[in-house]
Amino acid sequence: SQTIHQWPATLVQPVGSPLSLECTVEGTSNPNLYWYRQAAGRGLQLLFYSVGIGQISSEVPQNLSASRPQDRQFILSSKKLLLSDSGFYLCAWNLKGAGVSYEQYFGPGTRLTVT
Amino acid sequence: AQTVTQSQPEMSVQEAETVTLSCTYDTSESDYYLFWYKQPPSRQMILVIRQEAYKQQNATENRFSVNFQKAAKSFSLKISDSQLGDAAMYFCAYRRGSSNTGKLIFGQGTTLQVKP
Repeated sequence: SQTIHQWPATLVQPVGSPLSLECTVEGTSNPNLYWYRQAAGRGLQLLFYSVGIGQISSEVPQNLSASRPQDRQFILSSKKLLLSDSGFYLCAWNLKGAGVSYEQYFGPGTRLTVT
Repeated sequence: AQTVTQSQPEMSVQEAETVTLSCTYDTSESDYYLFWYKQPPSRQMILVIRQEAYKQQNATENRFSVNFQKAAKSFSLKISDSQLGDAAMYFCAYRRGSSNTGKLIFGQGTTLQVKP
């Protein structure tokens, strides 16, 4: 069965520090991958998605970047964090191709607090 | 562009009662998929139910069922025999059928409170 991991689970970082959040998927190959951000009590904002290794699409201009160095690894980064980067970050994946169920499967998330 | 609207920011229901959460969407596509996700206090997103637009029959999963009205572009979630564990934020989501990116468009969410 497929599983998705995110780490760290929680992170407190000072303004101006770098960021690296990692997401890995097990039990599948060539998935679509997604990074979302969620403010407390609010909806999900899609930040980046990737349909393959090295292929990154950005949904909103921001202080963050994403990379996909391996098929099942998705990394969210920042060189200098801003207070506004605080939030709950969710990674998700789904299958490609016809004849599959099209829902996304989510990781447990990372709670980031920028101080 | 497709949009998803959840017009009820908060709802409450008495334990063991039934509650319906509303969702409307706007699309010009004929092939698409709709989902309801649950996000409990742990914030883990859990798929509750999915509906394929080409299917006329409403999807059901145990105590959860949908009322899919394609012409009205409405996709409501009914929770029967509500339990304390149903308390969560619920999100409606849309996916274009022909999408090769697999992107979902989410509604703003509805927070459900279950009263004992």
